[in-house]
Amino acid sequence: GEQVEQRPPHLSVREGDSAVITCTYTDPNSYYFFWYKQEPGASLQLLMKVFSSTEINEGQGFTVLLNKKDKRLSLNLTAAHPGDSAAYFCAVSPSSSFSKLVFGQGTSLSVVP
Amino acid sequence: DMKVTQMPRYLIKRMGENVLLECGQDMSHETMYWYRQDPGLGLQLIYISYDVDSNSEGDIPKGYRVSRKKREHFSLILDSAKTNQTSVYFCASSLRDRNYAEQFFGPGTRLTVL
Repeated sequence: GEQVEQRPPHLSVREGDSAVITCTYTDPNSYYFFWYKQEPGASLQLLMKVFSSTEINEGQGFTVLLNKKDKRLSLNLTAAHPGDSAAYFCAVSPSSSFSKLVFGQGTSLSVVP
Repeated sequence: DMKVTQMPRYLIKRMGENVLLECGQDMSHETMYWYRQDPGLGLQLIYISYDVDSNSEGDIPKGYRVSRKKREHFSLILDSAKTNQTSVYFCASSLRDRNYAEQFFGPGTRLTVL
């Protein structure tokens, strides 16, 4: 079945720097991808959903890139600020079951002032 | 107000005791999920429910069972809890007729089994 590998597990950057989190997946037919943000002690909040038809997606202060050839999904936070400190999870909807999500292991991001 | 609720938020049990975790949602979502979250492992799917009395095992169902008698309510039961079931448990829900599983998560239940 689908497997998702997320790196790095921990990331510390200075305020204003960029931060990149990457996930690789195994199912070449996966079509739906998600990034979730989890602040300390809180639940998961959807950050962005990505469809395989679009390789670049932009949100407020971040960009999501999808490289289907390499089966790689990345979240790039531009000009990180302390409010971005949280755990980030990628999730992939496998082609075998669109009702399920396979999560990456998570990245704990710390943005230092 | 669309949301997923979980009760209790914190629970301490002794090994061998029974545990009941409750989840509710007010969005009329057909599909509901139970996950556990452990450090370094992300979220692991325990059970998925496609509607009332229509439940399927996820990736780690051993030691757990579920009950869904109403669409808005999904329970996770641990019969004779074990110390390795200490974890944070998340419930989630999604619309079934969507062709992708955008899931909405509850606040989580932190379970400690002593």
